[in-house]
Amino acid sequence: GENVEQHPSTLSVQEGDSAVIKCTYSDSASNYFPWYKQELGKRPQLIIDIRSNVGEKKDQRIAVTLNKTAKHFSLHITETQPEDSAVYFCAASMSVGGTSYGKLTFGQGTILTVHP
Amino acid sequence: GEEVAQTPKHLVRGEGQKAKLYCAPIKGHSYVFWYQQVLKNEFKFLISFQNENVFDETGMPKERFSAKCLPNSPCSLEIQATKLEDSAVYFCASSPRGADNQPQHFGDGTRLSIL
Repeated sequence: GENVEQHPSTLSVQEGDSAVIKCTYSDSASNYFPWYKQELGKRPQLIIDIRSNVGEKKDQRIAVTLNKTAKHFSLHITETQPEDSAVYFCAASMSVGGTSYGKLTFGQGTILTVHP
Repeated sequence: GEEVAQTPKHLVRGEGQKAKLYCAPIKGHSYVFWYQQVLKNEFKFLISFQNENVFDETGMPKERFSAKCLPNSPCSLEIQATKLEDSAVYFCASSPRGADNQPQHFGDGTRLSIL
């Protein structure tokens, strides 16, 4: 089955700096890669996702890159703010029957702390 | 509704007792997923449904765990003879059926504490 490795496990940055979180996956059939942000005691919230036919996607201060050959994808947050502090999870999935994606296989999570 | 609704928010059970968790997916969503998040933050997939049919049950510990999604009722996840290691937050997520392959939306979770 799919295995997703995420690094680093903790990341501490100063406000205004950039943060980068990296994930690798094992199953070349995976073709959908979402990133979730989870604040303490809250639900995971989708912040950005990328499909395997795209190499990069950007949404304001957040960007994700995907390298299918190397089977890794990364989350980039620029101009970090204290409210970006949370646990970030990458995940991988694959389409099933062309109508939906199946289960998510999550990385281990990265605790991001942004210091004011 | 516009959000995945999970009940109860917190459930406390003695070891060996039964626990039952509920999930109402977003209206119109055909797929329901259950995940277990243990204290180390790691998510484990349990089971998924396409409407009332089991879609993928590869993550279910079948001896004590069971789940259902019946028409016009919330989906449920039931754990018989609970063990201390079942203590976790159980998240439900739903997604629609469609060519755009929409992402999974999560509920607030049920925190299960086994004493």
